Amino acid sequence: AQKITQTQPGMFVQEKEAVTLDCTYDTSDPSYGLFWYKQPSSGEMIFLIYQGSYDQQNATEGRYSLNFQKARKSANLVISASQLGDSAMYFCAMRGDSGGYQKVTFGIGTKLQVIP
Amino acid sequence: KAGVTQTPRYLIKTRGQQVTLSCSPISGHRSVSWYQQTPGQGLQFLFEYFSETQRNKGNFPGRFSGRQFSNSRSEMNVSTLELGDSALYLCASSLWGSSTNEKLFFGSGTQLSVL
Repeated sequence: AQKITQTQPGMFVQEKEAVTLDCTYDTSDPSYGLFWYKQPSSGEMIFLIYQGSYDQQNATEGRYSLNFQKARKSANLVISASQLGDSAMYFCAMRGDSGGYQKVTFGIGTKLQVIP
Repeated sequence: KAGVTQTPRYLIKTRGQQVTLSCSPISGHRSVSWYQQTPGQGLQFLFEYFSETQRNKGNFPGRFSGRQFSNSRSEMNVSTLELGDSALYLCASSLWGSSTNEKLFFGSGTQLSVL
């Protein structure tokens, strides 16, 4: 079974500062993908970044980077130079590869608020 | 390319009624998944459809059902609504749903309120 744990219900960050959102996961799948999504108050989920379990390098997408530590089963999202528009819910997710089909499992999310 | 379209955007029902939600995936996407989102619970997986077949199912009662049509459009149905069914229902599509690097594309969701 897959499990995603996000232990920070809410976070505050000053505008232009960097912030790290924590995510740990548990799976017995040999291959898996890790994702981060952003959900603004409008409700739509927006894909931010992807990390494959066999990727040697940490993923980066603009101001977003994923701090992937496989041995610790963690996939933390780092947002650099926070902007007011970054205020949203952030979800960590995992897609496994077992049994011939997959489902994507989500954490309960972290609410990020950027302070001017 | 049009995104994932969910209708209706908002829905108000009373206990005991049934409801049908619709989802049109991105053109060419054949996998459609449904999630229930409630505050503090994150996204709970309902089911996933591929080529008109339910391929995976979450831990929800039988009152929750779905189907997929030959054009990949999907519907989910909730019968005998309960107050606890009030939630944002999100639909997501992906190309095949069979690769670990496939990201999900989400619709804006249907906000269901059960009174």
